[in-house]
Amino acid sequence: AQKITQTQPGMFVQEKEAVTLDCTYDTSDPSYGLFWYKQPSSGEMIFLIYQGSYDQQNATEGRYSLNFQKARKSANLVISASQLGDSAMYFCAMREPDSGGYQKVTFGTGTKLQVIP
Amino acid sequence: NAGVTQTPKFRVLKTGQSMTLLCAQDMNHEYMYWYRQDPGMGLRLIHYSVGEGTTAKGEVPDGYNVSRLKKQNFLLGLESAAPSQTSVYFCASRTAGWETQYFGPGTRLLVL
Repeated sequence: AQKITQTQPGMFVQEKEAVTLDCTYDTSDPSYGLFWYKQPSSGEMIFLIYQGSYDQQNATEGRYSLNFQKARKSANLVISASQLGDSAMYFCAMREPDSGGYQKVTFGTGTKLQVIP
Repeated sequence: NAGVTQTPKFRVLKTGQSMTLLCAQDMNHEYMYWYRQDPGMGLRLIHYSVGEGTTAKGEVPDGYNVSRLKKQNFLLGLESAAPSQTSVYFCASRTAGWETQYFGPGTRLLVL
């Protein structure tokens, strides 16, 4: 089974509208974390937001919020008031323990978001 | 404060050649990571380090070796490059908590 699934290869959103990017995950470990990253066309990777599995509140960072639904194993990214600069690839990722007691990180395949003026 | 830097930015290798990619961070982070990104895919973890002198294998470690002799540097080596190692390589570092992570600008590697 895929560890991280992003089912939306591409999405469009009107400027100033909110948009939700979907992410579902699969793990049997109770201690894990979920991340979202942004990759503009320039290629750099930008960390956006993190949610730990034991965190009671949904994570928020400015216009970004992570809608964490543990029972559904989903960790959707919500971007409020979209801006043209939000056009980019967005990756969901998960950290979980590996067999050596450290942490491994797995990325999804990404969603390309295009913001329309 | 330069953050995370990667050297070189771009390199072309012939099959069988060796090279070392350097990642340096000036934020005193314990944790450092090497990822590769192939076209149309997310990042895959190659190796990582939880502190000076310690390294561990990630999802795709074969064909790569790493060293963390100094806390600020994390080296990724290719002993005998193969065309399948053509990729963009990203280094990242983070604090003890996962809430703060920084990535380098990436190294584009082409193996002919």
